[in-house]
Amino acid sequence: GESVGLHLPTLSVQEGDNSIINCAYSNSASDYFIWYKQESGKGPQFIIDIRSNMDKRQGQRVTVLLNKTVKHLSLQIAATQPGDSAVYFCAERPGANSKLTFGKGITLSVRP
Amino acid sequence: DAGITQSPRHKVTETGTPVTLRCHQTENHRYMYWYRQDPGHGLRLIHYSYGVKDTDKGEVSDGYSVSRSKTEDFLLTLESATSSQTSVYFCAIGSGPNEQFFGPGTRLTVL
Repeated sequence: GESVGLHLPTLSVQEGDNSIINCAYSNSASDYFIWYKQESGKGPQFIIDIRSNMDKRQGQRVTVLLNKTVKHLSLQIAATQPGDSAVYFCAERPGANSKLTFGKGITLSVRP
Repeated sequence: DAGITQSPRHKVTETGTPVTLRCHQTENHRYMYWYRQDPGHGLRLIHYSYGVKDTDKGEVSDGYSVSRSKTEDFLLTLESATSSQTSVYFCAIGSGPNEQFFGPGTRLTVL
C-alpha cells in the first residue's frame, strides 16, 4: 500500500455516519479548489471541485463548503461507507495562471 | 486510471544510474504532469507539458528532465538517480489547466 498515509492525521468514523474532512488553505488569492481521494496503491481520484465565487457545491453523497474569510475548505461525506476509507486531500489554485498546490491529506478510516 | 498508464510500476535502481519513467495516455489531452509523492508532503510538481515539445519546470525540478515528442507520451528522466529521489511518481493528464486525472503511479527505490 501507499506509505504516504503513515504520517497523516486520521479521522475515524462509524459506518453510516457523516464524515467531515477539513482543509486549511494558504493563499487568499486562490480561486479554485479540488478534493481528491486516494486509495492505497492507487493514484488520486477527483471527487469534487469548487470555485471561489461559490460557498457550497454538492455532488453525489459529497458536499464541499468554502469559507474564504478563514481560508477553510471542508468535504462532507454522507452515510460513510467502508469504500470511503482512503486518504483525502485538497488542492488549491493560487491564481488563474498558477498550478495546483496540494495539501498533505487526512486518512479517513471507516469502522464497521 | 482509465486512459493513462505508467511504466514501470515498480523499479529498484542504484545511485548514479539514469532512470526513465514513461507516462502514456490515450485521451489526446493537451496537458501532462509529473509529480512526486512523499510521506509528510503533498504532491509536488516536477515538470509539466502544455503541448508537444512544450514543457516547463515545477517546484522540484532539480535532477529531473522531461520530454514530450508526441501527444500521448511524457517521459521523466532522472539523469543520475540519488537516494533522495526514492518516491512514488504520478503522472497526470488534463484537457485544460484545471483538470488533472492521475495515473496509477510508479514506485521508485534508489539504493
